[in-house]
Amino acid sequence: TAGITQAPTSQILAAGRSMTLRCTQDMRHNAMYWYRQDLGLGLRLIHYSNTAGTTGKGEVPDGYSVSRANTDDFPLTLASAVPSQTSVYFCASRGFLAGGTSDEQFFGPGTRLTVL
Amino acid sequence: KNQVEQSPQSLIILEGKNCTLQCNYTVSPFSNLRWYKQDTGRGPVSLTIMTFSENTKSNGRYTATLDADTKQSSLHITASQLSDSASYICVVRRMDSNYQLIWGAGTKLIIKP
Repeated sequence: TAGITQAPTSQILAAGRSMTLRCTQDMRHNAMYWYRQDLGLGLRLIHYSNTAGTTGKGEVPDGYSVSRANTDDFPLTLASAVPSQTSVYFCASRGFLAGGTSDEQFFGPGTRLTVL
Repeated sequence: KNQVEQSPQSLIILEGKNCTLQCNYTVSPFSNLRWYKQDTGRGPVSLTIMTFSENTKSNGRYTATLDADTKQSSLHITASQLSDSASYICVVRRMDSNYQLIWGAGTKLIIKP
């Protein structure tokens, strides 16, 4: 089982350009999340989706949009990138471990984005 | 304000030694507290989850404690190994309908041979 995959691994993007970060999970989890991680700060939630067809805003949604056309895919789009969006982006899904009683968040490997 | 504070920011210890990482939180209403391990260049991986009624939980050489009255948690690592070098992140879940997680900034642990 691959779990969660993200693409690309890293990207350098010119300011003003658009970009879509891809996220795919094969665990059939309903809930998915996008976080950004900046040095010295905790992960901050950008957008989330509790189930296919629905999305919601997190703590820092400005400048980002998401869609959830199906259970497996949850792409994050930057319409017009700015340098402050330089960060490491993590996609996660939420589900239960086999035999577990508490739900867990499972993370992808991250996308390192630099906006110049 | 819902916050999770961790200390120390970074820690260097010798292989085989024990260490304890601290987490203080002001999140309310409280649902559960989690510790994650994040290796460099990887996503976080869950180590433990504790609810209000749990005082301690172990996962191999990792033991987490929770004092819900003082809103403090600790993560104790026994007989450290080089592979324990990572960031350890304390996360508190609020009890609300949107599954809100409040993330600490993490403690960067370096194990030296």
